[in-house]
Amino acid sequence: GAGVSQSPRYKVAKRGQDVALRCDPISGHVSLFWYQQALGQGPEFLTYFQNEAQLDKSGLPSDRFFAERPEGSVSTLKIQRTQQEDSAVYLCASSSDDSYNSPLHFGNGTRLTVT
Amino acid sequence: TQLLEQSPQFLSIQEGENLTVYCNSSSVFSSLQWYRQEPGEGPVLLVTVVTGGEVKKLKRLTFQFGDARKDSSLHITAAQPGDTGLYLCAGAKNYQLIWGAGTKLIIKP
Repeated sequence: GAGVSQSPRYKVAKRGQDVALRCDPISGHVSLFWYQQALGQGPEFLTYFQNEAQLDKSGLPSDRFFAERPEGSVSTLKIQRTQQEDSAVYLCASSSDDSYNSPLHFGNGTRLTVT
Repeated sequence: TQLLEQSPQFLSIQEGENLTVYCNSSSVFSSLQWYRQEPGEGPVLLVTVVTGGEVKKLKRLTFQFGDARKDSSLHITAAQPGDTGLYLCAGAKNYQLIWGAGTKLIIKP
């Protein structure tokens, strides 16, 4: 596809369950970001990949959050033992190079609801 | 902590009115990006400003980067209902992209 694709679109998990969120970036894009967004708020940075290397994971809120991008394309954000405070929209974005001046192309997000 | 203060947080105006949204910081940015986000979608880039004092126009939208590259504004002329959405600014500094909290804009017909 031409854009960033995220799946699933919606995910409902019971507290304590593990979830995996997938991001397919634009083909050839070097940089990949994961953000968490609360309703009506700006995105909060979670983690950043340059190709397969995770260069910054300072935004991951706890060790229950784990992200990978093993082949430098598709990325997965995994949340273990989900808690209610994990409920949010998780956005993935990619950009064509490693400059933070480059525009980000966002997917439509995965809305996670933890019950 | 590096912050990008965005104001107002919420704005509801009538169709045809003008408005300005501000992003302010004490930090200097190498560039600043403006995005618009509609419900259920990801943010979409509107413009990137790079040079201090730069002004860019996108139809009825005018973007300005402050001379010191610490602040930016978005001015919308004759707002239309289609302008409704969440407007986000993001400043690039070193290896980070610093995001504002967003301005939720509602244009009433």
